[in-house]
Amino acid sequence: AQSVAQPEDQVNVAEGNPLTVKCTYSVSGNPYLFWYVQYPNRGLQFLLKYITGDNLVKGSYGFEAEFNKSQTSFHLKKPSALVSDSALYFCAVREGGGADGLTFGKGTHLIIQP
Amino acid sequence: DAGITQSPRYKITETGRQVTLMCHQTWSHSYMFWYRQDLGHGLRLIYYSAAADITDKGEVPDGYVVSRSKTENFPLTLESATRSQTSVYFCASSRFDRDTEAFFGQGTRLTVV
Repeated sequence: AQSVAQPEDQVNVAEGNPLTVKCTYSVSGNPYLFWYVQYPNRGLQFLLKYITGDNLVKGSYGFEAEFNKSQTSFHLKKPSALVSDSALYFCAVREGGGADGLTFGKGTHLIIQP
Repeated sequence: DAGITQSPRYKITETGRQVTLMCHQTWSHSYMFWYRQDLGHGLRLIYYSAAADITDKGEVPDGYVVSRSKTENFPLTLESATRSQTSVYFCASSRFDRDTEAFFGQGTRLTVV
């Protein structure tokens, strides 16, 4: 079975500072990893994904994520936070060649303080 | 307009009633999914479909029924609604390729009273 853990319910960062939202995963095969963002009363929007190749992947709105196979992590990062980055962030995993649906973490509220 | 749309956006129903949530996508994506979002649980997969006439259970399928007679539509039916099914429901779709991202609808907020 595949699973995702987001250990922080909430992350607070001052505007302009770097931010990190943590994610660890568990799959029995090769992981396909995704980050999504959700703004209030909206659906989820895709940010970025790791399938294979370079461990550092870049996505929308200046976000990037680093895949670390030995630590089974896929942390979301941004060098300089904006107030508009405040939202709910979800990490998700799909096992390559395995079960069909994405498995999501419980989400992390990111709050950027002016 | 192209995209994935859910209807209704908001629904209040009574315990025991049957209710159907609609999902329509215009991309001809093979895969479609239904998730529910609850505080403390994130998103949990209810049912998914790999193609028309092919459906399978996800993590929390009890009390739900799906069908997919056409590629573009994937309705979710609560046969006899219960208060525990009060939630926000999201439909999503993705291409056949397994490494592609899913695109989500705006969600349906369902309240069972």
